[in-house]
Amino acid sequence: EVQLVESGGGLVQPGGSLRLSCAASGFGVSNSYMIWFRQAPGKGLEWVSLIYSGGITNYADSVRGRFTISRDNSKNTLYLQMNSLRVEDTGVYYCSRTQETGDSWGQGTLVTVSS
Amino acid sequence: DIVMTQSPLSLSVTPGQPASISCKSSQSLLHSDGKAYLNWYVQKPGQAPKLLMYEVSDRFSGVPDRFSGSGSETDFTLKISRVEAEDVGLYYCMQRTQIPITFGQGTRLEIK
Repeated sequence: EVQLVESGGGLVQPGGSLRLSCAASGFGVSNSYMIWFRQAPGKGLEWVSLIYSGGITNYADSVRGRFTISRDNSKNTLYLQMNSLRVEDTGVYYCSRTQETGDSWGQGTLVTVSS
Repeated sequence: DIVMTQSPLSLSVTPGQPASISCKSSQSLLHSDGKAYLNWYVQKPGQAPKLLMYEVSDRFSGVPDRFSGSGSETDFTLKISRVEAEDVGLYYCMQRTQIPITFGQGTRLEIK
């Protein structure tokens, strides 16, 4: 069974950093198309970043240069390093695995950027 | 960026009646590989979104067959043949044909 469990969220001041983790089970992150999404409180869904199975990455314009997606194949874990955080980065962050037969999402981790 | 526009933004349906949500994209979602990467999700309060349909009309594992998806190019529809109380939630369409991946605004389904 595919399972994704996010962690690492919390309260951080503007300008601070956080690293989110997404522990995967039931499949390997090393050969999967993985995506980070987020959802601001009371708002819709927003794509943040992705990493293809081959390692190519991409970012939303709003986070490019501040966020970095990566994976540790030995730990079967996806990461999102978030630097220079802004108030508008506040929200629930979800990781997702996309495959030919659909996708699976984790339960999310809450990031709050506030002074 | 591809803009996804859903309508209506809310609908109230009597149990047992059908429901339909439209999703229009600002550009064709037909990828060079011949597929249209259009997904439908439902999100309930406090929960992560759950996939209903992928590639326009493929039902995800475990999704009841009262849900169906159709459409092509820029015009897509999610239909529920007979709404049940458990179908309450926010419905989103999402395209991943082109980066950035983009979502519709969401449609709130309520039960009368």
